[in-house]
Amino acid sequence: SQQGEEDPQALSIQEGENATMNCSYKTSINNLQWYRQNSGRGLVHLILIRSNEREKHSGRLRVTLDTSKKSSSLLITASRAADTASYFCAPRGGGNKLTFGTGTQLKVEL
Amino acid sequence: EAGVAQSPRYKIIEKRQSVAFWCNPISGHATLYWYQQILGQGPKLLIQFQNNGVVDDSQLPKDRFSAERLKGVDSTLKIQPAKLEDSAVYLCASSLELAGNQPQHFGDGTRLSIL
Repeated sequence: SQQGEEDPQALSIQEGENATMNCSYKTSINNLQWYRQNSGRGLVHLILIRSNEREKHSGRLRVTLDTSKKSSSLLITASRAADTASYFCAPRGGGNKLTFGTGTQLKVEL
Repeated sequence: EAGVAQSPRYKIIEKRQSVAFWCNPISGHATLYWYQQILGQGPKLLIQFQNNGVVDDSQLPKDRFSAERLKGVDSTLKIQPAKLEDSAVYLCASSLELAGNQPQHFGDGTRLSIL
C-alpha cells in the first residue's frame, strides 16, 4: 500500500466558494478513494476513481485523476458550512488496504 | 442499512490497565479493519480480517494489542497493558469483500484517554 499526501494541510473559505484540495502519491494505483471525516466521527467514503478514469462527479464533488503526474484533486463546489471537515485521499494498489495521510482540514465560514 | 457499530464511545483508563473495544460491522461484510487515529493524523491500519482470518497485522503492536473475530462477524480489540502513547481514537471499518473497489464503511470510533 502507499500513502497519499494531501495539500494544503488547511483551507479556509467562505460559504458559497469552491474548495480544491490535492493529493499526490508515488507508485501505480488501481484506484484512488476520497473520504471525509467530520469532527468526532468516523470517515465517510465520498468517491472512488479508477486508474482508467480521468474525471468523476458526484453531486457537488468533482474528482480528477492524472496518473502521469500521480496526482488527484477534489473540488467541492458551492461549499456549505456542513462541508467543514477533514478530507483524506487513499490511493490503492492491490488488496483493500488503505493508507491515509494527514488530510486537508477544510473550514467553511458563514 | 445499519452502519458499523462501536462501543464504548469514550474510555478513560490509567496506564498499565487493560481495555477492550467492540465492533459490529455492517451485515454481510466479510472484511473488517481496526485503525488507530492519533490526534492530528490520519487513521493507521492496525489489523485486517477477512471473515475470521487475519489478512494483515503487520502494524499491530503484538506485545500489548490483540484482536479477534471469532465467528467472522463481531470483533474485539484489546490493549493490555495500556501506555500513554495509546491515547487515540480507535476506528473500526468494514467492507463487502477484500477486493479493492469496495469502499470502507467506518464506525464513529472509541476515544481512549490514558491518564
